[in-house]
Parts: sequence; structure tokens; C-alpha cells
Amino acid sequence: DQQVKQNSPSLSVQEGRISILNCDYTNSMFDYFLWYKKYPAEGPTFLISISSIKDKNEDGRFTVFLNKSAKHLSLHIVPSQPGDSAVYFCAASAKSGGSNYKLTFGKGTLLTVNP
Amino acid sequence: NAGVMQNPRHLVRRRGQEARLRCSPVKGHSHVYWYRQLPEEGLKFMVYLQKENIIDESGMPKERFSAEFPKEGPSILRIQQVVRGDSAAYFCASSPVPPGYNQPQHFGDGTRLSIL
Repeated sequence: DQQVKQNSPSLSVQEGRISILNCDYTNSMFDYFLWYKKYPAEGPTFLISISSIKDKNEDGRFTVFLNKSAKHLSLHIVPSQPGDSAVYFCAASAKSGGSNYKLTFGKGTLLTVNP
Repeated sequence: NAGVMQNPRHLVRRRGQEARLRCSPVKGHSHVYWYRQLPEEGLKFMVYLQKENIIDESGMPKERFSAEFPKEGPSILRIQQVVRGDSAAYFCASSPVPPGYNQPQHFGDGTRLSIL
């Protein structure tokens, strides 16, 4: 049972354009969401997060949007740069039960930004 | 490099041997987490440790797998009598504060375990 789903295995965009990566979740107890970026042979690097009390969080070129009613979040990268080419993982955790350290990851989306 | 350090980066074992994976958290972080990534999958939580304590090992197989985080030294993930299905990338993460605070976990570059 996959609780965090990234339905697009890959995405290709042109440099300078917007990249939109999507993530859906099924567990309504999730209240903290994160995006990680991963290059081959490296570990995931934290990008940006959002708490369920917000619907938007912005950090430079990266913005995460949360739609709780739809159980959907998205990561916007604008403008996209070739160095953004990587696998992007959506992750979620639930504070209830005291286990918010337990991150549940999606399978990832491979973003390719073409020069 | 003040990040999470994992070694070895690559480990090859034959079926039936033991695998030991080491993780040194970010300096000052006392909370360590282990995740496993199978091919074409996302990372899956295995175990959460604090110094000398296993807090949650609900994601770890009941047999052959064990983890520790001693008072001194790195955290160790140990897999006894490895089988082909143990082939995966094993990632360690650490955080500076206990659960209950919204703080991201910082990951190491992982150990790629291959079982022949």
C-alpha cells in the first residue's frame, strides 16, 4: 500500500521554464511534507518542506503548494536550470502517535532540464 | 565535511556472509535513522536510534538485521547471513532535535550493498 505516490516517473523541461512535480498521498494523518533532491550515487538532499497548517512555502526558485482537501502537493521550480536535473522525492510524516521521524517516501520523479 | 558520513560506499558480500554498514551523524546530532532503497523504489524507514537506545525498529526485518548506536563511535547496521534480496542502497540520516519538531533529516550518500 503506497501512501505517497509520485505518478510521473520522469519529466523533461526546457531551461528557463517552470518545472512542476506532483505528489499525492492517501494517509490523512500526514501533517509534514518534504521534498528531497537526489543525484546518482549520492544521498537525498533536503530542498523544502511544508507543514499542514500552510498551503504554500517558498524558498528562492522553489515553491511547494499543499492542497489538503485533495491530498496533493506540488513542487514548482522556476526558472529551471540544467543543474536541477535529478530525481525528486516527495516525503511525508505524521506527528500523531509520536512517530513524525518516520518519513514515507514516494518512488521519485526524474527531472531532466534541457539546455 | 560536516555531513552524515557512511562507509563503506560499496560493499560486496556472498550469500551467507555478514554485512556491517557504518554511519557517523552530523556532529552534534544524536538522532539517527536508517532507510533502505530497493531498485526503482523510494526509501523505506527501517530504524530510529538515539545514543545507546533503539527507539523504533518497526521497519526492520525481525531476523538477521540489527542496529546499534553506541555511546562512542558510529551507528552500525548489521545484516547477518545475507541473501540476494538484501541487495539495496542503505541510507543513514540524522537530525539535531527529537521528534515533535519539524526538522528535516540530513542524509548520507549511502552504502550500496551487492550480494553475489
